[in-house]
Amino acid sequence: DGGITQSPKYLFRKEGQNVTLSCEQNLNHDAMYWYRQDPGQGLRLIYYSQIVNDFQKGDIAEGYSVSREKKESFPLTVTSAQKNPTAFYLCASSKLAGGLNGELFFGEGSRLTVL
Amino acid sequence: AQSVTQLGSHVSVSEGALVLLRCNYSSSVPPYLFWYVQYPNQGLQLLLKYTTGATLVKGINGFEAEFKKSETSFHLTKPSAHMSDAAEYFCAVRATNYGQNFVFGPGTRLSVLP
Repeated sequence: DGGITQSPKYLFRKEGQNVTLSCEQNLNHDAMYWYRQDPGQGLRLIYYSQIVNDFQKGDIAEGYSVSREKKESFPLTVTSAQKNPTAFYLCASSKLAGGLNGELFFGEGSRLTVL
Repeated sequence: AQSVTQLGSHVSVSEGALVLLRCNYSSSVPPYLFWYVQYPNQGLQLLLKYTTGATLVKGINGFEAEFKKSETSFHLTKPSAHMSDAAEYFCAVRATNYGQNFVFGPGTRLSVLP
């Protein structure tokens, strides 16, 4: 079955460490996204990518970095510059072809806790 | 700019009662509208979406929503709540001139009481 796989599901990090969250999709979608979710704040866009080797900052990109070397993969690195990284991170993808009415498909999320 | 508001961060209903979750949006152009459901520590799952055509949209698990342009609303309803409906619900908008980005509301947590 097609879908989006995020790993790890749970991750603990010490302050000052970088950590990379994996996101892989086999839906053949062009666009991929990273969202951050905090209680009571909905989802906030960190980065998105519409094509391989290209990505754009979202609303809260500071302290994060991404790469898009393959269509299927869109890893997110939470750097030590991110002041409050403890959160639930969601990866998503969508089709580009066919217009803007395509919905987002989500992975199961990764919960990062900074100790 | 787009925005989404969801009235009520927490809604409680009795099992078998009507579920009504409110969503209002602001958009300068005709929007595409979505409702997602999220169970604890899981990703979001699409319930239903409105793009064009019929304004009453039916989704999974017995949910439906009606797009009312004059009220800029897209409220989610279900005639009879089930215990398994307890979750967090997010309304989202994607405007036709806003590229590939979605804007999400803050979410409404639905509790279903026995």
